[in-house]
Amino acid sequence: DAGVTQSPTHLIKTRGQHVTLRCSPISGHKSVSWYQQVLGQGPQFIFQYYEKEERGRGNFPDRFSARQFPNYSSELNVNALLLGDSALYLCASSIRDRGLGLNTEAFFGQGTRLTVV
Amino acid sequence: LAKTTQPISMDSYEGQEVNITCSHNNIATNDYITWYQQFPSQGPRFIIQGYKTKVTNEVASLFIPADRKSSTLSLPRVSLSDTAVYYCLVGDPRDDKIIFGKGTRLHILP
Repeated sequence: DAGVTQSPTHLIKTRGQHVTLRCSPISGHKSVSWYQQVLGQGPQFIFQYYEKEERGRGNFPDRFSARQFPNYSSELNVNALLLGDSALYLCASSIRDRGLGLNTEAFFGQGTRLTVV
Repeated sequence: LAKTTQPISMDSYEGQEVNITCSHNNIATNDYITWYQQFPSQGPRFIIQGYKTKVTNEVASLFIPADRKSSTLSLPRVSLSDTAVYYCLVGDPRDDKIIFGKGTRLHILP
């Protein structure tokens, strides 16, 4: 079984550009979350989607947006890129369904390394 | 969300048992304690989760005292490949986000 896959693995963009990062969750997982990890820090929560609906949002500006598709894959979009957006962007999927009780293990992809120059 | 405090870094030697303690004084009744491991340029990997007392799986044990204000991740007989950052997380599993702290950078020496 394939794990969480993210594309692209690496990306270089210039300030002011827009970027789209993609994530395919593990088959059967309906929840996808996005995290930003700056070098030397822990991952910071950006968004969580479940069944195509936004369920949670972290403390990130409106330049960051995301969506989830009917096949549960997801995109993270960042507009007007800043140098400070350079980071590893991680996607995690889980079965997480409140109706199913506690199933909390999140499976992370390898991430997309975004460099803004 | 409960705040966690764990050592910034630790060194140990191959074959030793390593214990990493995490403090979470304001843990809530519905909160669980979860540990993740992260290697450089990879996503975090779930290690273990518990609510109280002791939990053991094939890679680690998690000790949680009765007051639940702290927890200890125990890695038996570590090897060089256990060199990684270990994150302690506390939260209600029904919440929709995982909050990571800075983690503990564990360095295993030969």
